[in-house]
Amino acid sequence: KNEVEQSPQNLTAQEGEFITINCSYSVGISALHWLQQHPGGGIVSLFMLSSGKKKHGRLIATINIQEKHSSLHITASHPRDSAVYICAVIIQGAQKLVFGQGTRLTINP
Amino acid sequence: DVKVTQSSRYLVKRTGEKVFLECVQDMDHENMFWYRQDPGLGLRLIYFSYDVKMKEKGDIPEGYSVSREKKERFSLILESASTNQTSMYLCASFPRRTGNTEAFFGQGTRLTVV
Repeated sequence: KNEVEQSPQNLTAQEGEFITINCSYSVGISALHWLQQHPGGGIVSLFMLSSGKKKHGRLIATINIQEKHSSLHITASHPRDSAVYICAVIIQGAQKLVFGQGTRLTINP
Repeated sequence: DVKVTQSSRYLVKRTGEKVFLECVQDMDHENMFWYRQDPGLGLRLIYFSYDVKMKEKGDIPEGYSVSREKKERFSLILESASTNQTSMYLCASFPRRTGNTEAFFGQGTRLTVV
C-alpha cells in the first residue's frame, strides 16, 4: 500500500463546477504539498501545509492532521485548471519526500 | 526567484551516451532527491542525498548514478542512456530539520533517448 493515496485518479467536470481532490497518508508528516502539472509542463508547487487551511485565488487547500487527510478545492473551475494535481508529503523524522499518484483533472468548457 | 534549478527543460540524447542531469539549489538544503515520472507510474525515487558526498539508492536506481560533491549541486548520471530512460526527471530539496519543513521543486527535465 502506498504511503500517500489520492482520489479520484481522474476527474472530468464542466466549467464552473466546484472541484475537490483528496489526499490521504498513512504516516506522520512534517508538511504536505499540493503540486500542479499542466500537460507537457513542469511541476509547480501550489501550497505547503502543516496545519489548517490556505487559500490562493480560486484554490483552497485544507489539512486535518489527526485524520491524516488533505483536500484541494477549486472554486468556479475553468478549462485552464485542467492539469495533473499531485500531493506530496515530507515524512516526519525520515527525511523522505513521497508523492501520490496524481489526479488528472479535465475541465470542459 | 527560482530556488531549485535543473540544467535543462528538454534534452535529446542518443542511446549509449553518458548523460548528466544537474540540479542546483541556493537554500543550503541538506536533502536532495531525484525522481522520474512516467505515465501510470507517478513519481518514483531514483536516488537521494542527505548531505555532501552522501548518497542513497531509492526505489529504481538501476542504470543511474549520482554525485554530490558540493552541497548545492546534485547530479544524476545515466552512464549509458537507453530508450527506457526516456522520461521526465524531477529534482527536489528540503532542509534537515524537524517541524515545519517546506520542499522546493525543480521544473523538471524531459529527456528523450533516441
